[in-house]
Order: sequence, then structure tokens, then C-alpha cells
Amino acid sequence: GQNIDQPTEMTATEGAIVQINCTYQTSGFNGLFWYQQHAGEAPTFLSYNVLDGLEEKGRFSSFLSRSKGYSYLLLKELQMKDSASYLCAASRGPSGTYKYIFGTGTRLKVLA
Amino acid sequence: DGGITQSPKYLFRKEGQNVTLSCEQNLNHDAMYWYRQDPGQGLRLIYYSQIVNDFQKGDIAEGYSVSREKKESFPLTVTSAQKNPTAFYLCASSRLDRGNNQPQHFGDGTRLSIL
Repeated sequence: GQNIDQPTEMTATEGAIVQINCTYQTSGFNGLFWYQQHAGEAPTFLSYNVLDGLEEKGRFSSFLSRSKGYSYLLLKELQMKDSASYLCAASRGPSGTYKYIFGTGTRLKVLA
Repeated sequence: DGGITQSPKYLFRKEGQNVTLSCEQNLNHDAMYWYRQDPGQGLRLIYYSQIVNDFQKGDIAEGYSVSREKKESFPLTVTSAQKNPTAFYLCASSRLDRGNNQPQHFGDGTRLSIL
């Protein structure tokens, strides 16, 4: 089947580091995306991984292991504005079908 | 600035009524998508389109219809056949090069409720 799992909620302290995990199972996997979504707003793109390894973008990094069907998003030097939902999404299917499967999102609360 | 515009922001539907949600993009993206987001659930794909005058059903297309007469526009109609339409609807677009590895750009969403 096709499935993406991520924790429902996480809490962390301002200035800390938090890791949000995502496991996926989907046929024809192409790449893994991470989006940030503040309540009632549109998701915004954070990062994506196609190959195994770590991609770093400022305070955000994302890791992928294709053999394990596993990814994580690492947020460093947490700020209050990082309180949001983080969506994991896998692109799937043969190249050209352009379909994505989304996880339910992880709601991150950053505490002062 | 380029972006995706969805309207209206809030919409109310009466029993037996069809309603249409607007989505316009000026990013020159070929692909456009409609998702439905319910509390506690991930985004679910309703319809997507890769080219003008062509579109494909997603995972939950029943009770919905779309058209793609222009590259910039991809309106979604929620028909009376959709018995549980209350949700947050998100439109997205993306480029088509480099296979399936293009990020999607989202509009601000339309929140649909039943009267």
C-alpha cells in the first residue's frame, strides 16, 4: 500500500534542536519533500531529497534513506515562529504522473 | 510577484447546490493540483492537470469536477454529489521538468462549510 507516518505532535524549547521523523511506503518513490504550514495558511516548501543523505539549508536540514523508507527534518536554533505543522510528502509513480502523497503533519510547539 | 491566488477565502454551500472555487497562478507552471485537507488528515489529492484541456482524477475525485481551459486557471466545482464537502481546499502548482521532483507552490486556501 501507500502510507506516510509522522508523529502527531512535538514540543521543544526555544533555541533547542528538534528532529521530526517520517517513514513512508509507496510504489514508484521518486523524492521526499518537507513543507511548513502555519494554522489556516498555505503550506510553504522547505526542502526535498532525491538521493540518500543530508541536505542543509540554513537552520533546516533534511535527511533521506531510500533503503529504509525514512526521512527526518532537523530544525536548529528553534524560534517561536517555528511553531507550525510540518508536512512530509513523497512524490510517487512513474516520471510524468506527478502525484504526491502527504503525511498528516507534525504539529510543533516551541516554548519560551 | 508571482504566486497562486485562491478565491473566495470562505465559502458556504446550501444543500443541493454546486459551488466553484477559483485558482489562478502567474508562475507559468504547467501542472496544477487540488487538495482537500481535513483535521487530523494529510492533504488528499482531488484532481491534477499537467496541460491545458487535460486533467486526471486523484484519490478522492468523486463529487468534484474541474476544467483547465487556460494554463493559468484550474477551477474546482464541488457538486451536490459530494455529501461531506466541509474542508479546507488547497490549490497548488509546480513545474514539470526534472521528473516528479519539483516542489509545489500553494495558494492560501478556501474554507468551505455547509449551511
